[in-house]
This record gives sequence, C-alpha cells and structure tokens, in this order.
Amino acid sequence: GAVVSQHPSRVICKSGTSVKIECRSLDFQATTMFWYRQFPKQSLMLMATSNEGSKATYEQGVEKDKFLINHASLTLSTLTVTSAHPEDSSFYICSARDRDPFSGRSYNEQFFGPGTRLTVL
Amino acid sequence: QKEVEQNSGPLSVPEGAIASLNCTYSDRGSQSFFWYRQYSGKSPELIMSIYSNGDKEDGRFTAQLNKASQYVSLLIRDSQPSDSATYLCAVPPQAGTALIFGKGTTLSVSS
Repeated sequence: GAVVSQHPSRVICKSGTSVKIECRSLDFQATTMFWYRQFPKQSLMLMATSNEGSKATYEQGVEKDKFLINHASLTLSTLTVTSAHPEDSSFYICSARDRDPFSGRSYNEQFFGPGTRLTVL
Repeated sequence: QKEVEQNSGPLSVPEGAIASLNCTYSDRGSQSFFWYRQYSGKSPELIMSIYSNGDKEDGRFTAQLNKASQYVSLLIRDSQPSDSATYLCAVPPQAGTALIFGKGTTLSVSS
C-alpha cells in the first residue's frame, strides 16, 4: 500500500518552455501532497504543500507564479514549472500521506514518488 | 527556524559491522521521527518511524529516540554493501505538516 507515482520520470526541455509533472497516489486518497526539490548532493527542500480543493501553500523563497500547483482530486497533484530556465534543473519529488479510512486523520508517514529529473537546456 | 542536523559523513564501515547514524532536531515539540534511505539518483524510501522514547527494532534496523536530548539515531546491524546509501532523518515540526529533512549521512559499507 501507499504507492505514489510520478510522471514523467525524466524530461529535457529548452529554456523558456513549461513542464508539467504529475503526482498520483495509486492506492489511497491523499488530501495533502508535498512537493520537494533536490539539487545534486543536497538534501530535499520543501517547495510547497498541496491541498486538495484549495490553494497550495508555498515555502519562503519559492515563486508561486513560476511553480504552479494544482490538486484537483484526492489522487492527483500537478506541478508546472513555467518558463523553465537552466537553474530550474533539479530532481523534483512529490510525497503524500495516507489517512485512516475511519477517522479521516492523516498518518504521519510520507511516501515519496520516484521523482522527476528535469534538465533545462 | 526548525532544524534537523546530521553528520554528512561519509561513514565507512566494513561488511557485518554496526553502522550508527545520528540526528538532532531543534523543535522540542516534535512528536514523530522518521528515517529514510536514499540511493543515488532515487527518491527517499521510508525505513523506520519512531514516536516514543526508547528503542524500536525492525529487522536489522533499530531506531533510538531521546526526546529530552532531542536526539534520534539509527543503528544498522550486520551492515551489507546494499546498505550503502544516504540516510535522511526527517521530522515534522507539527503533526500533519511536511517533513523537514536533515542533509543526510552517506553510509559506505565495504565488502
């Protein structure tokens, strides 16, 4: 259980284009998903918290107009990197939490998707 | 600023030895603690969670928590070369919030 998928796994694009990354919870419903970014040899940095049916909450320093997040259903969140530039090249990873089916309370464990490696030329 | 601190390593141990990984956190109110393993080029994989003071064992892994000292550790017994990875300590500042990760400790197990 608690499987999270991401698509695509790898993308190479030209500078100035937009890239959409999908994150899906396959066997559970996730009211909250998280988007992280990881540069080489660095730890994961939280970019934003995505809540189903409401606006995402962005971390300080993350441009909300550049990194558009949509969480339209309980199993899908998308991150769109708009007008991508070489400095946006990174490993983008989403995560989600499962929740108790009876109480609706989220578990604390976060399960990660396999990540999307973005290279902007 | 909530912080999670780990020694970056690398920590090198011979096959069969015990690897000890340490983590400290700044938020005294944190209640849950997680260890993730991340292989190079891959996303993190949850290997242990611990909520109460003391030890929690799962196979070759033992997590130890001391809330008074704001310290959590991970012991890996009978280390194998396949354990070579970066180990990330993660703590949510509050229940339900996103995990804050340490920078990770790189473990290298030599055969």
